[in-house]
Amino acid sequence: DADVTQTPRNRITKTGKRIMLECSQTKGHDRMYWYRQDPGLGLRLIYYSFDVKDINKGEISDGYSVSRQAQAKFSLSLESAIPNQTALYFCATSDGTSGRSSYNEQFFGPGTRLTVL
Amino acid sequence: AQTVTQSQPEMSVQEAETVTLSCTYDTSESDYYLFWYKQPPSRQMILVIRQEAYKQQNATENRFSVNFQKAAKSFSLKISDSQLGDAAMYFCAYRGRNAGKSTFGDGTTLTVKP
Repeated sequence: DADVTQTPRNRITKTGKRIMLECSQTKGHDRMYWYRQDPGLGLRLIYYSFDVKDINKGEISDGYSVSRQAQAKFSLSLESAIPNQTALYFCATSDGTSGRSSYNEQFFGPGTRLTVL
Repeated sequence: AQTVTQSQPEMSVQEAETVTLSCTYDTSESDYYLFWYKQPPSRQMILVIRQEAYKQQNATENRFSVNFQKAAKSFSLKISDSQLGDAAMYFCAYRGRNAGKSTFGDGTTLTVKP
């Protein structure tokens, strides 16, 4: 079973609709992230959370909101979707508790391709 | 803020040959990590190799190795004996020791010719 799962994998919606993308992990990591990837560009950080009560904005948080329902679940919402939010969305996790010996590397979900018409 | 630059949007290599992908970064921090990720058409992000800034020895993972030049803020990826399965987009990423979050370059699309 995948350690980081995202639902849905693909979604087509219309302008103005509310959309929620969900992320779950079984890695036991405390940190979770949402990234966005546009064609020809790298991943850009939308929001990140270092624990259930800690939510932080990333570089492109406008138009998005998040909810950390539990340590293992981190959802991304588009309250009113617009066409320029069409992109590939990745959830990622990392372990912030393992100390200096760890690279604290991020583990990525399979991505959600979102199309806003 | 940290920035990561990949100056080669596209690269190609003949099967069994060697190719080097470039990455430079800008930071004022002294303790950080660097990563190379591979993204095949399946779009999954796969960690290829990683390097800690305070380690002078270049990381190696089978056919993949890096040339880490801390003073020059350069972190290139060398793929030896290229295989068709190496065809993908490759991303360079930077993470500060305590930052928790990564900054990615815009990627290099690698084509492997049979």
